Amino acid sequence: NAGVMQNPRHLVRRRGQEARLRCSPMKGHSHVYWYRQLPEEGLKFMVYLQKENIIDESGMPKERFSAEFPKEGPSILRIQQVVRGDSAAYFCASSPPNGGPYEQYFGPGTRLTVT
Amino acid sequence: AQSVTQLGSHVSVSEGALVLLRCNYSSSVPPYLFWYVQYPNQGLQLLLKYTSAATLVKGINGFEAEFKKSETSFHLTKPSAHMSDAAEYFCAVLSGANNLFFGTGTRLTVIP
Repeated sequence: NAGVMQNPRHLVRRRGQEARLRCSPMKGHSHVYWYRQLPEEGLKFMVYLQKENIIDESGMPKERFSAEFPKEGPSILRIQQVVRGDSAAYFCASSPPNGGPYEQYFGPGTRLTVT
Repeated sequence: AQSVTQLGSHVSVSEGALVLLRCNYSSSVPPYLFWYVQYPNQGLQLLLKYTSAATLVKGINGFEAEFKKSETSFHLTKPSAHMSDAAEYFCAVLSGANNLFFGTGTRLTVIP
């Protein structure tokens, strides 16, 4: 049973480009969470999604960031017009329908570097 | 709002010695608390969680944590450190209905 998959594992973008980060939850999981980890810091919650719905985006920056979890396919975290401050590790977690935030399984992360 | 504070960003112990990683929480409601471990360039792995049942929680790899309401603490311990325990450890608390609030992490070094 594969765990949470994230790709790419490493992503380099120049300032002003777009970054697309993908997350495939564990089989049978319908909830996805995105977190950002800045260097030397803990993870910070960004957004919580269920299939086709954004449930809680209280941690998302107001501009340039968006997330989706379509009916088919992976969840996507999209960052438009990246800036150096977006350089971080982005982690996705998934949980089963009856697990909620108590039972989050994390992917290996995508490390974004903005040059 | 719920939050956690981890005391000590770096902890070094000798192989075979006691491991003690500190975490204090702040919560206006009974907290749900977690410890995660992160190995280099990997995602987080759940070590254990407290969800208001027994105050002494046993986790994987020989780790355990005790919930102490009077001290607002949830420290992580392991009787005997192993080289493979070297990693970063994060304490977290359920914050709101949908997400975890993480501490800043403690990097554990195990000295042979």
